[in-house]
Amino acid sequence: SQTIHQWPATLVQPVGSPLSLECTVEGTSNPNLYWYRQAAGRGLQLLFYSVGIGQISSEVPQNLSASRPQDRQFILSSKKLLLSDSGFYLCAWSAGGASTDTQYFGPGTRLTVL
Amino acid sequence: GNSVTQMEGPVTLSEEAFLTINCTYTATGYPSLFWYVQYPGEGLQLLLKATKADDKGSNKGFEATYRKETTSFHLEKGSVQVSDSAVYFCASSGGGADGLTFGKGTHLIIQP
Repeated sequence: SQTIHQWPATLVQPVGSPLSLECTVEGTSNPNLYWYRQAAGRGLQLLFYSVGIGQISSEVPQNLSASRPQDRQFILSSKKLLLSDSGFYLCAWSAGGASTDTQYFGPGTRLTVL
Repeated sequence: GNSVTQMEGPVTLSEEAFLTINCTYTATGYPSLFWYVQYPGEGLQLLLKATKADDKGSNKGFEATYRKETTSFHLEKGSVQVSDSAVYFCASSGGGADGLTFGKGTHLIIQP
């Protein structure tokens, strides 16, 4: 069966510091991968998605970036965090190829920028 | 583009009450429709889905029917429990790799 991991689970960082969040998927090959942000009291905002190694699509302009160095690894980064980057970050995967339907989510990372 | 509209709540009910959370969508073509549930501090879990018109998705006592004529996918449960307290998200697929379009989520609170 497929599983998705995210770490760290929680993170407190000062403004201006760098960020690296990691997401890995097990039990599937060539998945589509997604990063979402959920600000307090708000819905989900799609940040990035990837259909393959090195292929990243950005949905919104921001000071965040994403990379996919391996088939089942998706990394969210920032060089300098802003207060507005605080939120709950969710990684998700879906089957690649013709079936791009159901998304399955990881447990999330709670980021607080102070 | 696609959009999904759902009541935001909070929706507060007593235990054993009947639940309806409305969801309507706009989309080109024939999207799949989903309900996800998010318990406090956790990620989203797929609750149920339907892939074509008149399909009924069901799980854990929850049901939703894909109504193409009214572009709706309302979530229902006959008798809610305190453990159903969570945020519920309706979503539609665009059929492409850019993934799902989510509603803003409905916060459900069940009181004993």
